[in-house]
Amino acid sequence: KAGVTQTPRYLIKTRGQQVTLSCSPISGHRSVSWYQQTPGQGLQFLFEYFSETQRNKGNFPGRFSGRQFSNSRSEMNVSTLELGDSALYLCASSAGGEDTQYFGPGTRLTVL
Amino acid sequence: AQSVTQLDSHVSVSEGTPVLLRCNYSSSYSPSLFWYVQHPNKGLQLLLKYTSAATLVKGINGFEAEFKKSETSFHLTKPSAHMSDAAEYFCVVSGSYNQGGKLIFGQGTELSVKP
Repeated sequence: KAGVTQTPRYLIKTRGQQVTLSCSPISGHRSVSWYQQTPGQGLQFLFEYFSETQRNKGNFPGRFSGRQFSNSRSEMNVSTLELGDSALYLCASSAGGEDTQYFGPGTRLTVL
Repeated sequence: AQSVTQLDSHVSVSEGTPVLLRCNYSSSYSPSLFWYVQHPNKGLQLLLKYTSAATLVKGINGFEAEFKKSETSFHLTKPSAHMSDAAEYFCVVSGSYNQGGKLIFGQGTELSVKP
């Protein structure tokens, strides 16, 4: 099976702009989770979607949002970008009822 | 609340010597525990997972981890380090079903392997 794919791999944006990141899970996986990785804060959970519904949300401002489509692909959106949003954004998928998550390569976002 | 503490931010070993990466966890119930590895500019790769079937878990690339409930530890070991093992390692605990698949990560241990 193909692994988790994320697009784009690299993004450069300026403050105030918005950005959309995309994630395609492993075929058959219905759960998609998003994480932010920064040198200072480490890996932090953003949110999880299961069958197009947000099942859990981490402690991030409302500028961070996501959605999941009927084919389980997921997008996350960050509006009004700040310098501190520069990070590696990782997507992970898991099968329904399983807590083992498989990660994609990530999207490196740089905010100037 | 569940948490994970990795006791060393950086470990340096020589090639061919044993590796020990230490992890303690806190959980109000019997959790699933994982070790993931991240090579530079890459995503996270699952090394191994503990459920409750066996306390000694074997993973990929010769790594294994032992779950010790009395010590709330889940240390990662490898008998002989290889240069390709140089990477960052994360000890991870999973939330309950009600936490919707949220993983809680330790701060990571950077492993350096000297020739």
